Amino acid sequence: NAGVMQNPRHLVRRRGQEARLRCSPMKGHSHVYWYRQLPEEGLKFMVYLQKENIIDESGMPKERFSAEFPKEGPSILRIQQVVRGDSAAYFCASSPQENTIYFGEGSWLTVV
Amino acid sequence: DAKTTQPTSMDCAEGRAANLPCNHSTISGNEYVYWYRQIHSQGPQYIIHGLKNNETNEMASLIITEDRKSSTLILPHATLRDTAVYYCIVMNTGNQFYFGTGTSLTVIP
Repeated sequence: NAGVMQNPRHLVRRRGQEARLRCSPMKGHSHVYWYRQLPEEGLKFMVYLQKENIIDESGMPKERFSAEFPKEGPSILRIQQVVRGDSAAYFCASSPQENTIYFGEGSWLTVV
Repeated sequence: DAKTTQPTSMDCAEGRAANLPCNHSTISGNEYVYWYRQIHSQGPQYIIHGLKNNETNEMASLIITEDRKSSTLILPHATLRDTAVYYCIVMNTGNQFYFGTGTSLTVIP
């Protein structure tokens, strides 16, 4: 059973561009979570999604950030008009129900 | 969710048991205690969780006090690869995992 797959693992964007990060949950998992980790800081919850629904987006910045988990395909975290402060590791996690979550290896975004 | 308190850092000699404490004095009856760890530049890894009974798996043991106000994660024979930040989290089913600052464990040769 493959784990949570994230891609790209590393992404470089210029200020003002868009970043799209993808997450394929583990097989059989219908719950997806996104976390952000700024350099030398802890993990911060961003958003919790189930198929076609955003359940909790209390950790998402109000502007430029959006997330979706469509009926088919991976979950997408989209950051529009990136700024240097968006440089971070973005981790996706999945769970079969609302209990133990399993993380992917992360996507490292660098904004230059 | 209940707040947890962990020491900022700990050292452990290779081959010895690593005992990582966590205080969660405001835990409620239906909140679980979870442990994760994050090795540098990797995704967090699930270790173990429990409600009130002690738990053991192939990675570690979890000892929860009878009043549930604190717990200890035990790595029975620490190796250099166990050097990581260890997070203690308490949560209700249906709530989100909120990570604190954790304990940075360094295993010393």
